[in-house]
Amino acid sequence: GNSVTQMEGPVTLSEEAFLTINCTYTATGYPSLFWYVQYPGEGLQLLLKATKADDKGSNKGFEATYRKETTSFHLEKGSVQVSDSAVYFCALKSTSNTGKLIFGQGTTLQVKP
Amino acid sequence: EAGVAQSPRYKIIEKRQSVAFWCNPISGHATLYWYQQILGQGPKLLIQFQNNGVVDDSQLPKDRFSAERLKGVDSTLKIQPAKLEDSAVYLCASSLASGSSTDTQYFGPGTRLTVL
Repeated sequence: GNSVTQMEGPVTLSEEAFLTINCTYTATGYPSLFWYVQYPGEGLQLLLKATKADDKGSNKGFEATYRKETTSFHLEKGSVQVSDSAVYFCALKSTSNTGKLIFGQGTTLQVKP
Repeated sequence: EAGVAQSPRYKIIEKRQSVAFWCNPISGHATLYWYQQILGQGPKLLIQFQNNGVVDDSQLPKDRFSAERLKGVDSTLKIQPAKLEDSAVYLCASSLASGSSTDTQYFGPGTRLTVL
């Protein structure tokens, strides 16, 4: 079945450090891939998405490239800020199902000044 | 544009009691989803509506959970009776149409349920 695996957290970084959060997936067909972010006390917000192989999604300095050969969609940011502290979720939407999202377990990012 | 609204934001009940959650999706969104997010895990779909019809309820524990979207707009999720393991955040999301690969789901703030 479809599944998403994220790196374990928490990830603790100093401000301006480089961020990578790993995400790999298992799916039939060609799923769409998403990163959602959940700030404390808030709901999930779409951060970026990619709908086909080699697409790069980007938003607010974050980037992720859809790599079909490695079934990965790693999230990166060149210089994190304290305000980036949140829980990040990788998710997929298979073309073969009704459109539901299948989420990874989430990775907590803590950025210290 | 108003986002997805949910109420209440927090609820504490005793086991075996009943509880109901309400969701109002973004105006014009045909598809509505209820997800359950247990602490430390990613959200898991419970039920999906397309207008007022159920599209997917394969993960809904139907012996205790029920949901409805009678007029194809807002929706109610009910648990009766609640168990300790139902403690979670219940997220409502909506989207224009589920079939497109570019369709984006927008989430509400969630209802945090604690069952004692």
